Amino acid sequence: EVQLVESGGGLVQPGGSLRLSCAASGFTFGKYWMLWVRQAPGKGLVWVSFIKSDGSYTTYADSVKGRFTISRDNAKNTLYLQMNSLRAEDTAVYYCVRNGGYTFDIWGQGTMVIVSS
Amino acid sequence: QSALTQPRSVSGSPGQSVTISCTGTSSDVGDYNYVSWYQQEPGKAPRLIIYDVSKRPSGVPDRFSGSKSGNTASLTISGLQAEDEADYYCCSYAGSFWVFGGGTKLTVL
Repeated sequence: EVQLVESGGGLVQPGGSLRLSCAASGFTFGKYWMLWVRQAPGKGLVWVSFIKSDGSYTTYADSVKGRFTISRDNAKNTLYLQMNSLRAEDTAVYYCVRNGGYTFDIWGQGTMVIVSS
Repeated sequence: QSALTQPRSVSGSPGQSVTISCTGTSSDVGDYNYVSWYQQEPGKAPRLIIYDVSKRPSGVPDRFSGSKSGNTASLTISGLQAEDEADYYCCSYAGSFWVFGGGTKLTVL
């Protein structure tokens, strides 16, 4: 079964850091672009970051540029999102997403990040 | 990286058809045939229902269809069913990044 399982969410103080992980299974992880998408409580979906299959190219939404870093370990079938200098507005469910040809075809169940003092 | 524009809500009775619009710009919707649509039920992860403007993944009923004209994409759901009640999001590739619409809540009356 094709599956993405996120972990690492939780409560963190403003200015703090958190690293999210996403374990992939059921497909050849190293062949796919991957992304993070987030959704603040009661709000819509927002694209956060993207990484190419070999990790050679990454892009970020303006709102997280310079604070978040996406990376991957194809040997471990795992995607990461390092989040630094967290702000209250980063509070959201973070989804790990597989990109199947410019579209988001597989989604994880999401992990909640709460930034609050 | 401005969000695409969707109506906040639409509604229809069972058996009817509804169309949800998604308006972008010549830099996203108008420039790429990589518009996708996602259905999200409360408390669940989004599910892909339309990709590349008008293609349906396997398992998605043919009641769901997509189209595009200029900078506006559309999702049409025909033969509405109670189970179609959910939030719907459009998304477009915009050249090195992606942009979502604000979401549309579909109510089946």
